[in-house]
Amino acid sequence: ETGVTQSPTHLIKTRGQQVTLRCSSQSGHNTVSWYQQALGQGPQFIFQYYREEENGRGNFPPRFSGLQFPNYSSELNVNALELDDSALYLCASIPREAGPLGGDTQYFGPGTRLTVL
Amino acid sequence: DQQVKQNSPSLSVQEGRISILNCDYTNSMFDYFLWYKKYPAEGPTFLISISSIKDKNEDGRFTVFLNKSAKHLSLHIVPSQPGDSAVYFCAASALRGSGNTGKLIFGQGTTLQVKP
Repeated sequence: ETGVTQSPTHLIKTRGQQVTLRCSSQSGHNTVSWYQQALGQGPQFIFQYYREEENGRGNFPPRFSGLQFPNYSSELNVNALELDDSALYLCASIPREAGPLGGDTQYFGPGTRLTVL
Repeated sequence: DQQVKQNSPSLSVQEGRISILNCDYTNSMFDYFLWYKKYPAEGPTFLISISSIKDKNEDGRFTVFLNKSAKHLSLHIVPSQPGDSAVYFCAASALRGSGNTGKLIFGQGTTLQVKP
């Protein structure tokens, strides 16, 4: 039990639509990373937020955006959904004492399974 | 460009025997390596890590070995138990260097099945 929750657990959208995925971290976890895990692959880093600002981004287009809120929750927004966006989306939070580097202290949520038709 | 590779998609081991999961990486800037375990419908759970200044780290039944010259790491589970059946991911990070964000680069995963 990591104390990281994500909602919804499953979501079905159609191509071109927009989606918002949510993550709630433990109190004191001021860094959150988002990952995309396609079927049969390992998680791929999308971006990280530290103290409510983007703090690094992977190889994902600008239609992937995020927000982090003072209450340790965060959102991943994806615009103009494409079929290839179908994946499991994971958020991982990092305790304040670990700083934004994370290391072995990234606590993952159970993920949101997004299907784009 | 797959910087972290797990070339064995699956591994089957008898209960009580040793499980060895392998991982190769290409980026010499990686200086911190981790193994995560993932059960279905759950997020990855941290298992064990190793810094590049070490070549071995042990935690109970789990030992990670790092061979920097070969850019290879392995996870040994002894003895293997049926509850160890899961997908195992190795991940790497470059903690030093400018602009680092703690981004983890994951391998594709190896599904371990431990048979009773």
